Amino acid sequence: ETGVTQSPTHLIKTRGQQVTLRCSSQSGHNTVSWYQQALGQGPQFIFQYYREEENGRGNFPPRFSGLQFPNYSSELNVNALELDDSALYLCASSKTTVFTGELFFGEGSRLTVL
Amino acid sequence: LAKTTQPISMDSYEGQEVNITCSHNNIATNDYITWYQQFPSQGPRFIIQGYKTKVTNEVASLFIPADRKSSTLSLPRVSLSDTAVYYCLGGGRDNFNKFYFGSGTKLNVKP
Repeated sequence: ETGVTQSPTHLIKTRGQQVTLRCSSQSGHNTVSWYQQALGQGPQFIFQYYREEENGRGNFPPRFSGLQFPNYSSELNVNALELDDSALYLCASSKTTVFTGELFFGEGSRLTVL
Repeated sequence: LAKTTQPISMDSYEGQEVNITCSHNNIATNDYITWYQQFPSQGPRFIIQGYKTKVTNEVASLFIPADRKSSTLSLPRVSLSDTAVYYCLGGGRDNFNKFYFGSGTKLNVKP
């Protein structure tokens, strides 16, 4: 139990559609990072939000966007879905003011694009 | 951020000690080495972190030599439930806990 919850756990979309994934951070954590994990690969960093501002982005196109809310919950939005977007999407929260290297991950949202 | 290299897979038997080595030749002065464990269809879980020498907690030990160009995660007396993918990450205080995962090491523990 990490205290990080993600929804939905599974969803199926078709090419061209849009999707919103949600994450509730662990209490007291002010930073949230999103990762994409394709089958058989390691998690790939999408972006991070700190105090409601994007604070770094990996090699993902602009159709991947996010939001962080004042209560530190977060959303990941993906527009114009492509087949290659099928993956497990992981949210991780941390307390940036205390560096421990420990990210607290949720169980992920499994997205299938048909 | 440090690029890390690990073996793709390892096999072991229950009760054995397992050592997984990670290479990180370009590690920066402020980078720490952090290891995560991931089971199928779950998010990664923090195992241990260190800067140099040896760190031990209730589940693992981490050995980092003086030159810090490599590190070794040691799992004592593994069980079947330790079958998972293990990731070695480099990162530091300066990057707000942004971590970049490689492909990891798939550890397969046999009875």
